Amino acid sequence: KNQVEQSPQSLIILEGKNCTLQCNYTVSPFSNLRWYKQDTGRGPVSLTIMTFSENTKSNGRYTATLDADTKQSSLHITASQLSDSASYICVVSGGYNKLIFGAGTRLAVHP
Amino acid sequence: EAQVTQNPRYLITVTGKKLTVTCSQNMNHEYMSWYRQDPGLGLRQIYYSMNVEVTDKGDVPEGYKVSRKEKRNFPLILESPSPNQTSLYFCASRRLAGQLASYEQYFGPGTRLTVT
Repeated sequence: KNQVEQSPQSLIILEGKNCTLQCNYTVSPFSNLRWYKQDTGRGPVSLTIMTFSENTKSNGRYTATLDADTKQSSLHITASQLSDSASYICVVSGGYNKLIFGAGTRLAVHP
Repeated sequence: EAQVTQNPRYLITVTGKKLTVTCSQNMNHEYMSWYRQDPGLGLRQIYYSMNVEVTDKGDVPEGYKVSRKEKRNFPLILESPSPNQTSLYFCASRRLAGQLASYEQYFGPGTRLTVT
């Protein structure tokens, strides 16, 4: 069964600290993996998209990694800001135009 | 500005009263999709469309209908809403991807529906 699992479910960190969010997937065939940021009450916004041949991709303070062998991805946030408070969703493309969504990690950044 | 719009943003209705949530995109995307988001669950696909007059069921299609008469519009129709359809709904659009392509998917702002 195609699944995307994210951990932790929720996370609280202090402003300025770094954090790493995890994503494990059992999706086949694999096309690409995406990380989205979703602010409360808004639609998800894309952070990164990685194909199986890409190991790392950065978008400002966000860095995503992908290990296609172990089917794991992580999203690292550097020097967190209050505006980073949001849900982060891992999405795996499981073939022709099919996206499988993780349940998300809810991040709260406190001053 | 490239965007996906949805209307209404908030809707409270009663069981059995037909409703339509509109979705429109201005990016000439072939692919459009509807999702629902419930607490603790990932976004689940309701219906999708790969082009005008081409629609197909997603993972949770029961109780919903869609139509794609124009490329830019993809309305979601609830013929007889029930309380278990209370949820946050998102419309999304993107270019139609080949097997190894990874085009960006754009989401609308969401419609919060409450059925009492």
